[in-house]
Amino acid sequence: GESVGLHLPTLSVQEGDNSIINCAYSNSASDYFIWYKQESGKGPQFIIDIRSNMDKRQGQRVTVLLNKTVKHLSLQIAATQPGDSAVYFCAVHEDGGSQGNLIFGKGTKLSVKP
Amino acid sequence: NAGVMQNPRHLVRRRGQEARLRCSPMKGHSHVYWYRQLPEEGLKFMVYLQKENIIDESGMPKERFSAEFPKEGPSILRIQQVVRGDSAAYFCASSLVGHVNQPQHFGDGTRLSIL
Repeated sequence: GESVGLHLPTLSVQEGDNSIINCAYSNSASDYFIWYKQESGKGPQFIIDIRSNMDKRQGQRVTVLLNKTVKHLSLQIAATQPGDSAVYFCAVHEDGGSQGNLIFGKGTKLSVKP
Repeated sequence: NAGVMQNPRHLVRRRGQEARLRCSPMKGHSHVYWYRQLPEEGLKFMVYLQKENIIDESGMPKERFSAEFPKEGPSILRIQQVVRGDSAAYFCASSLVGHVNQPQHFGDGTRLSIL
C-alpha cells in the first residue's frame, strides 16, 4: 500500500525567503500528486497538482517538483509571506486504486517570521 | 461562487447518540468524498460517493458509519452510537468528475466532540 511522509514536521522561514517543503511516497505506481494548504480551523485548500508524466509544474509563487526515481515530491514557495503560514499536506493517488482515495501525509507546519 | 459547504461546523454528542454531518458539494460537482482528521494528523479517506451511489467505502468502519448522497439534497455522513474515539474533524470534498486527475476541493469541516 501507499505511505506518505514528510521530511520535516515544522519549517520556519524568514519573510521574503523561499520555502521548500518535501514529501516522500512509497508506491512507484502513484500517478497523481496534490499539495494542499490548511489554515487553523479550515479545510485543506488546493494549491497545485502534478501528474506522473511531468516532473515540474509552476503556479503563482509556487512550484512543484516530482522525482519519480527517488519517489520524492517538493513544494517550493517563492518570497514567502506571513499569509503562507499554515500546515502543508501532500496527497498522493495510487494508479489502480480507488478514484477517490487520496493518501495524505501528516503535514509540515510552515511558520513565517516577519 | 460557493465552495463546499459543511454543517454543522461544530457538533457535540454524548456517547451512544447519533451524529449526522451534512455536505453540499460545489455547484456542478456530483462526486463527493469524506475524510477524517485527528489532531496533528493528515486526512484519512473514508468514502467516495457519486449521486445515489457509493463508489468506494474502503476507508469506512464496517459498523456504525454510513454515508449517502441522494439525488436531491446534501451528502450525509451518519455515525450511530457514537463513542469517544469518533471525536475528530470530518471533511467533505467534491470534484467535477470522478477521474483521478481532478483535484478535490474541501469544505471547512465538522468538528465532532463526544462527551
